[in-house]
Amino acid sequence: DVKVTQSSRYLVKRTGEKVFLECVQDMDHENMFWYRQDPGLGLRLIYFSYDVKMKEKGDIPEGYSVSREKKERFSLILESASTNQTSMYLCASSFRLVGDRDYEQYFGPGTRLTVT
Amino acid sequence: AQSVAQPEDQVNVAEGNPLTVKCTYSVSGNPYLFWYVQYPNRGLQFLLKYITGDNLVKGSYGFEAEFNKSQTSFHLKKPSALVSDSALYFCAVRGSFSGGYQKVTFGTGTKLQVIP
Repeated sequence: DVKVTQSSRYLVKRTGEKVFLECVQDMDHENMFWYRQDPGLGLRLIYFSYDVKMKEKGDIPEGYSVSREKKERFSLILESASTNQTSMYLCASSFRLVGDRDYEQYFGPGTRLTVT
Repeated sequence: AQSVAQPEDQVNVAEGNPLTVKCTYSVSGNPYLFWYVQYPNRGLQFLLKYITGDNLVKGSYGFEAEFNKSQTSFHLKKPSALVSDSALYFCAVRGSFSGGYQKVTFGTGTKLQVIP
């Protein structure tokens, strides 16, 4: 069975703290993604990675960085957490696009982060 | 720029009745369209996708979606709703593959409430 796991389901951090969110997939997927989900805004892409050590900015990368040292693991880092980063964070993975064939994304359960 | 619109924040339907969740899109080239479902406190799960071929696509849990190119729509349907279908539904789109990563854009989500 396909599995994407995230390190925490719930996390409470203080303003200014450095926060690490970790995601692991066991499907040998090339692509990995970090989204944040907010009511009324849907899912917004923060960063994605299409290979080890490779990363691309998504729609809202400000205040975030990522790390992908191994194929199965993709970390999201909040360098200095702020209250406006309180949100649900979703990790996803997929196979790489091949020609015109597309592959669906598999999502983890999410981490609900509260910054106080 | 590509975009997805889900015009209804919430859809209410009686159990046993047919349901429709609406989605319209805007994208360059041929669209690749997806529906995902999110149950409470869970990540998103893939339901179905349209890449090419038949305009009526069948997916998981008895859901289907109809691609209409002239109306740029991809509405999700089910002939007979179940209470267990109550969840948040996301439509997503990406444009034609042109080399490199073509990101997927998600809609804002529609909450489906099936009333017993």
